[in-house]
Amino acid sequence: SQTIHQWPATLVQPVGSPLSLECTVEGTSNPNLYWYRQAAGRGLQLLFYSVGIGQISSEVPQNLSASRPQDRQFILSSKKLLLSDSGFYLCAWSTGQGVGNQPQHFGDGTRLSIL
Amino acid sequence: SQQGEEDPQALSIQEGENATMNCSYKTSINNLQWYRQNSGRGLVHLILIRSNEREKHSGRLRVTLDTSKKSSSLLITASRAADTASYFCAYIQGAQKLVFGQGTRLTINP
Repeated sequence: SQTIHQWPATLVQPVGSPLSLECTVEGTSNPNLYWYRQAAGRGLQLLFYSVGIGQISSEVPQNLSASRPQDRQFILSSKKLLLSDSGFYLCAWSTGQGVGNQPQHFGDGTRLSIL
Repeated sequence: SQQGEEDPQALSIQEGENATMNCSYKTSINNLQWYRQNSGRGLVHLILIRSNEREKHSGRLRVTLDTSKKSSSLLITASRAADTASYFCAYIQGAQKLVFGQGTRLTINP
């Protein structure tokens, strides 16, 4: 069966520090991968998605970046965190059969607090 | 952005009662999905209904879709305490973007 791992679960970082959140998927090949951010009590905002290794699409211009060095690995990074980067970050995957036509499967998220 | 809207934003009912949540959207869709999110956790996919379907069932869940009104509803029958969660509708926008609504926070009181 497929599983998705996301870590760390919680993270407290000072303003201006770098960030690296990692997400890995097991049990499937060539998944579509996604990074979302969720503000408290709100819906999800798509940050990045990837349909293959090295293929990254950005939805929101910001100081975050994403990379997909391996088929089932998706990394969210920042060189310098801002206070506004605080939030709940969720990684998700779906089969590569068309976004929206397949369910997305989510990790348990990383709660990021910027001090 | 063309974000979906759920109604109500919050719903509190007694265990055993039925819960109905509504979702409205603004664009043409091929399908619409519903997700559940327990507090502090990731989202869990519940059901996908295609644009040529009017109603779909999964256990105690019933989803309806009215493409003429651009709306969908999620009915949870015989609610249980474990149903306490936030519920989101989502639909595709553009080539690769799944748009989520703001969610309905459902509380089931024992």
